[in-house]
Amino acid sequence: AQTVTQSQPEMSVQEAETVTLSCTYDTSESDYYLFWYKQPPSRQMILVIRQEAYKQQNATENRFSVNFQKAAKSFSLKISDSQLGDAAMYFCAYVGGGSQGNLIFGKGTKLSVKP
Amino acid sequence: SQTIHQWPATLVQPVGSPLSLECTVEGTSNPNLYWYRQAAGRGLQLLFYSVGIGQISSEVPQNLSASRPQDRQFILSSKKLLLSDSGFYLCAWSLRGGLDTQYFGPGTRLTVL
Repeated sequence: AQTVTQSQPEMSVQEAETVTLSCTYDTSESDYYLFWYKQPPSRQMILVIRQEAYKQQNATENRFSVNFQKAAKSFSLKISDSQLGDAAMYFCAYVGGGSQGNLIFGKGTKLSVKP
Repeated sequence: SQTIHQWPATLVQPVGSPLSLECTVEGTSNPNLYWYRQAAGRGLQLLFYSVGIGQISSEVPQNLSASRPQDRQFILSSKKLLLSDSGFYLCAWSLRGGLDTQYFGPGTRLTVL
């Protein structure tokens, strides 16, 4: 069975600084996608970034980028120039090609941004 | 553009009462639809998914059920709520099943007393 592990329950970053959130996953599938979702206090789950496993290039969305290490099954999220609005729970998620879309989530990392 | 709605936003129900949560999607046709539950301080767990009208698949056995009476409408129901049904319920949609991005609604916070 596929699993997603986020080993950092909480992280803190100073405004304008850079922070990296860690995620590892376990799978025997060769075809899969990985995601980072943000859940602010409103609790709506918002897509931050997506990485297709077949792509070697790391995905980037403005201040958000990932470090995808397929062999190591590692998928970390880097937030540059952190802003107060980045404070939220961040969830790493996996979906495999053999499923109908069963997103498997990690337990999340709570990110605090200090002014 | 596509939007997804859920209601109610908040619900407090007594144990043993029925439940009906509704999710609708606008701006797309024949989406895949999903119901997830998030218990306090935890990640999401898939409850049901649907690839079309009347087609429901269950991932977790429980006293909840789901129905899809229309293409863009997904309903989560229960005949008798349990205390353990409390949580945050999120509906999501995607264009395809499997390898595709899921977009989430605003969620419903359910408290069973």
